Amino acid sequence: QLVESGGGLVQPGGSLRLSCAASGMKFSDYGMIWVRQAPGKGLEWLSYIGSRSSSIYYADSVRGRCTMSRDNAQSLLFLQMSSLRVEDTAIYYCAKSLGSYFDLWGRGTLVTVSS
Amino acid sequence: SYVLTQPPSVSVAPGKTATITCGGENIGSKSVHWYQQRPGQAPVLVMYYDSDRPSQIPERFSGSNSGNTATLIINRVEAGDEADYYCQVWDGGSDHPVLFGGGTMVTVL
Repeated sequence: QLVESGGGLVQPGGSLRLSCAASGMKFSDYGMIWVRQAPGKGLEWLSYIGSRSSSIYYADSVRGRCTMSRDNAQSLLFLQMSSLRVEDTAIYYCAKSLGSYFDLWGRGTLVTVSS
Repeated sequence: SYVLTQPPSVSVAPGKTATITCGGENIGSKSVHWYQQRPGQAPVLVMYYDSDRPSQIPERFSGSNSGNTATLIINRVEAGDEADYYCQVWDGGSDHPVLFGGGTMVTVL
C-alpha cells in the first residue's frame, strides 16, 4: 500500500515536504507519480520519477517550485514544495507506475495554502 | 500539447449501459487507461491498455480505442458505479508524459 503524509495548513509563500511510504511491494522496481486534485476539480499530474531516479519530469504548474525524490532503501517517495500559492490547495496523491498506467494509489494528503 | 477531452457528465438508469468517451487526436495509436474515483476516495484503476481489466473489476466494465475516441463502457449499471471516471495516456515523446482527461461524472438515476 501507499500512505501519504506531510500535508497541512501553510501560508502563501511557504514550503512543505510530502512523503509517500510504500509497503508490500519492491518499491525500487517501480516508477512513481504525484497527482493532485483541487477542491471540486479533476486529477492533475504533477511529477514522475523513474525507479532509479534517472528520469524525473514535472508539470509546468510546479516546475521550479517542486522537487520529487525517492529513497529506495526506505521505500519512501517525497515531494518538496516551495513558494506555495493558494491555488496549490489540493489533495495530493502518490501512485505506483506499471509502465504507462498507475495501478496503486494512496489515500492522499490534504494541503491547504491560506493566510 | 496533447489534449484529452471527456464529457463532463453522463446519466444512466440502473441496469442500463453507460458509455464514457475520451477524445484525442489519433488516440487510437496510444494506450488509454481509465480510473474510477468515488466521492471522497482515491482513484482506482478500472481499465488499462484500452481494454484490459484488473482482476478485481467486474466484467461489466469494458473498453475500446480507435481513431480519435477511446471508450469505457459500463454494462448493467449499478448504484455503486456512480463516480468520476478519468482517462489517461502516456505521451512517451514528451517531458510531460502523464496526461489525464478532465473527468466524467457518471450519475445513476
